[in-house]
Formats: sequence, C-alpha cells, structure tokens
Amino acid sequence: SQKIEQNSEALNIQEGKTATLTCNYTNYSPAYLQWYRQDPGRGPVFLLLIRENEKEKRKERLKVTFDTTLKQSLFHITASQPADSATYLCALLRGRRALTFGSGTRLQVQP
Amino acid sequence: GAVVSQHPSRVICKSGTSVKIECRSLDFQATTMFWYRQFPKKSLMLMATSNEGSKATYEQGVEKDKFLINHASLTLSTLTVTSAHPEDSSFYICSASPGLAAYEQYFGPGTRLTVT
Repeated sequence: SQKIEQNSEALNIQEGKTATLTCNYTNYSPAYLQWYRQDPGRGPVFLLLIRENEKEKRKERLKVTFDTTLKQSLFHITASQPADSATYLCALLRGRRALTFGSGTRLQVQP
Repeated sequence: GAVVSQHPSRVICKSGTSVKIECRSLDFQATTMFWYRQFPKKSLMLMATSNEGSKATYEQGVEKDKFLINHASLTLSTLTVTSAHPEDSSFYICSASPGLAAYEQYFGPGTRLTVT
C-alpha cells in the first residue's frame, strides 16, 4: 500500500542552525511533491512544490530536494529562527486529483 | 491573493444534531474544493473532492450520507455533518483549487468541531 513517512515526530534545534526534515514514500510515483507549514489550530500553508524532474528547489531560506530513486525528499531551513517553529507536512499528488499528506514533523527552534 | 475562509472556526454541538461548515474562496473561483479532517497530531485525511455543480467524490470509508457536501457555486462549498456523534469531533479543513488539478490548493483555517 502507498505510504508517506516523515522522519521524526519532533525535531529540536538551536536558532541559527539548519533544520533538515525528511519525507520518504513507498509505492508512489508522484509527479509533484509539496511541503506545507501548519501552525497549531490552523490550516496548512503552502511553501514549495518540486516536480519529479527537478532535483532541487529554493525559496529564500528554504531548500527542497527530491530524489525519485531513493523515494525521498529533504526539506531544509537554513539560519533557522524561533518563528520557524511549526509542523511541516509533505504531500504527494495522487493522480491529478488528490493530495496525500504525511503525518508531519514538529519543528521547535530554541532561541 | 488566494484566500480561503471557513465558518465557523469553532462549533460545539450536541450528539444527534447536524452541523454545517462553510468554505469560501474569497478572491478566486474554485473549480474544485476538497474537504479534509485531522485528528490531533495526525495528518490530514482527504474526505471528499467536489466540483462546482456536480456530486462530490468521497474517499473510501467516508459515509456520504453522514458528511453531506454541496458545492453550489464557484466560491462556496459546504460540509454538513449529520446526526453528529462524539467520534465526529475533529478538525475539519477545506481547500480550494482554481483548476481541476490538485497540486494548486489553498487551505482554509479549519473548523474545530466538538460533539458532546
């Protein structure tokens, strides 16, 4: 069956360090992979989309990689700040019509 | 741009009653709207996909008679939880897409439903 796993339930890092979050998937061949940020009690906010033919995508302090051979995406936040503390979700496109989400990684950036 | 609102943000209802949740795209026309539910510390689970003017497509295991979805216009979709039970208590989130493809979705802020 199709499965999406995000590395750990929680990740604690010091301010200024780079946070690296992992998303692994099995039994998928997604055309796109997306990363979202979700704050407590709020809906997800879109951050980045990466296509299967793209190895890396950047947006300000964010970087996403997509390795279709390893079936893995890495999400990096450089120079992390306490305001980056949130849950980060990866999502895969299932066909053209639906997104399937991972369970998320809660990032806590300590000042 | 691309703002989606939900109303109400929180609702408490008694067991056996029905609750309606509204999802609106404020500054674009949403060809497709999606409804998700999320349990604490869990991921979003897609419940159904709806296109304006047609019947919703429900995911496996989601009771269509219990979770009524209406996508009456290009800016409004409603989810009605009928005969609510405590196990229906959850965080319900909608999203809207300006096209038919799912990769471009804008999420609402969510509705916390508590059934007592």
